[in-house]
Amino acid sequence: GAVVSQHPSRVICKSGTSVKIECRSLDFQATTMFWYRQFPKKSLMLMATSNEGSKATYEQGVEKDKFLINHASLTLSTLTVTSAHPEDSSFYICSAIPIAGGSYNEQFFGPGTRLTVL
Amino acid sequence: DAKTTQPNSMESNEEEPVHLPCNHSTISGTDYIHWYRQLPSQGPEYVIHGLTSNVNNRMASLAIAEDRKSSTLILHRATLRDAAVYYCILRVQGAQKLVFGQGTRLTINP
Repeated sequence: GAVVSQHPSRVICKSGTSVKIECRSLDFQATTMFWYRQFPKKSLMLMATSNEGSKATYEQGVEKDKFLINHASLTLSTLTVTSAHPEDSSFYICSAIPIAGGSYNEQFFGPGTRLTVL
Repeated sequence: DAKTTQPNSMESNEEEPVHLPCNHSTISGTDYIHWYRQLPSQGPEYVIHGLTSNVNNRMASLAIAEDRKSSTLILHRATLRDAAVYYCILRVQGAQKLVFGQGTRLTINP
């Protein structure tokens, strides 16, 4: 089946530093990937749509200069949290839609990255 | 985005069927009904989707009301591994993004 990985799975950083999270589709190509964040006991909130070779589309209220997204290849999207602060601590999850088959009917999700900002 | 309403939590026993309801009274004619579930500390996984007709797959069944204003996810024989948060999501035809609601936290008792 289609597998999406994320790296790192957990990261702890100091306030003011930047953190990069990778999302890879391991056995399929994806022109579109999505980034979500999830606070404890809450639902997933869509942050942005990552499009290969073009700029990401951010949801309303998400700071694009704070959360930098780069989708440089058909198997890799990165999310960089710049100048992280404790309120950015969250569970970040990516997903991808395979190109093959042309169906939008199933997104494959990564296992998530838990970010803790001290 | 059309809104869905689900109970916050449900509880069932192992090896019994589970019926998870979802109301979507503002659904439009081209909205697909998707169900995903999220196990603890993991990313969501696809369960099933449908448009108008009832659907079955190896994981579950999806029963869609005739007026499409509600649907029910059916787990035929729950196991402890089915304990998760289940999300009912409406996806606009042609659109790719999913907007998650609050979901139903399902607890399975041994």
